Amino acid sequence: DVVMTQSPLSLPVTLGQPASISCRSSQSLVHSDGNTYLYWFQQRPGQSPRRLIYKVSNRDSGVPDRFSGSGSGTDFTLKISRVEAEDVGIYYCMQGTHWPPWTFGQGTKVEIK
Amino acid sequence: EVQLVESGGGLVQPGGSLRLSCAASGFTFSSHWMHWVRQAPGTGLVWVSHINRDGSSTTYADSVQGRFTISRDNAKNTLYLQMDSLRAEDTAVYYCTRSFDSWGQGTLVTVSS
Repeated sequence: DVVMTQSPLSLPVTLGQPASISCRSSQSLVHSDGNTYLYWFQQRPGQSPRRLIYKVSNRDSGVPDRFSGSGSGTDFTLKISRVEAEDVGIYYCMQGTHWPPWTFGQGTKVEIK
Repeated sequence: EVQLVESGGGLVQPGGSLRLSCAASGFTFSSHWMHWVRQAPGTGLVWVSHINRDGSSTTYADSVQGRFTISRDNAKNTLYLQMDSLRAEDTAVYYCTRSFDSWGQGTLVTVSS
């Protein structure tokens, strides 16, 4: 199984400042079809997960442009350019290249300082 | 608007069974793979099972293989998860998700005597 490792696991940030979350996979996520199936999800307190980013860098509909995804191979990053109060929650990366199983990272808790 | 509404959760004794349902609306249900993902209290997201568009192919996490059965009724726009031989470690909120781009609100399953 592909292991997804996120860092940091806790991320205190100041409002208006940038934030960055790293996600590393135990093997390359490049699929034989040429796509890289790496996703990012946000889970606000008490809510269901919401997908933010698909295939590394594509924002889902309605996701603010302060969220961006990048990376390749085994190293990926989610960046928030200027953190807002509504961004508080837990962020997960997930791989969908080598399935089953689909595997998630442990989650990174973003909180306001 | 895509809607996924889970039901069927509750308290069950170890060794017991439950059947979860996920009613889908707002999209062509039969055109999408569907998944179940669970989240134990205070922990991260774990993929449980997937089913393809017509129900002819299913996959399971090792932890539930042989105990859980995923199915779907495309005429009723409904996804199911039959859970047998339940264990305390199956206690979690269970989410249904349409290819991870839309999620239900979850239903809580508690396995306890």
